[in-house]
Amino acid sequence: DAKTTQPPSMDCAEGRAANLPCNHSTISGNEYVYWYRQIHSQGPQYIIHGLKNNETNEMASLIITEDRKSSTLILPHATLRDTAVYYCIVRVGSGGSYIPTFGRGTSLIVHP
Amino acid sequence: GAVVSQHPSWVICKSGTSVKIECRSLDFQATTMFWYRQFPKQSLMLMATSNEGSKATYEQGVEKDKFLINHASLTLSTLTVTSAHPEDSSFYICSAGGGAGTGKTQYFGPGTRLLVL
Repeated sequence: DAKTTQPPSMDCAEGRAANLPCNHSTISGNEYVYWYRQIHSQGPQYIIHGLKNNETNEMASLIITEDRKSSTLILPHATLRDTAVYYCIVRVGSGGSYIPTFGRGTSLIVHP
Repeated sequence: GAVVSQHPSWVICKSGTSVKIECRSLDFQATTMFWYRQFPKQSLMLMATSNEGSKATYEQGVEKDKFLINHASLTLSTLTVTSAHPEDSSFYICSAGGGAGTGKTQYFGPGTRLLVL
């Protein structure tokens, strides 16, 4: 699996957009970019994933650069409840057979 | 999205006893489930892959005789920590996915916090 690099921590004001970067310069053509988050003392929560195109759902937007070597997760209007550790993972997407391998992630703190 | 449950959510036990943790996929079938362990201020570490109807696959450094995994049905996997010791105290999390309607992703349980005294 391609390795990912994320800043260890970020902070954001409530109501503003939170932009979380991820570098995955060794990503291969069939690897997807996944984002999860883990709120303190809970299991990870799936946020979004993509292959090439930008993606958007009710939680967030995922922007993948044209060369696919980096991506950005955007929380458009961050709330205090978005405070969590955010993990960027790249893996071949093959249904249930892929295994998320977690790095250290980015600890996002949303402040009032 | 798909729902994965774990039971119990937390457990306190004496050193030397065994503890069983259940992981269930509530609205989909999962031929494969994964077990993770997370120590304070650290990331999740994969312990083993649980395969329905066959033996689990353990990651390097994880003792298969200490962490017994049983995946008896398509919706249930259990992790038994045998002869637990204080160093086994951790947050144990399972995941499952890939079934019909889940898309290309894994869903995680809420975790089980184990404290061994």
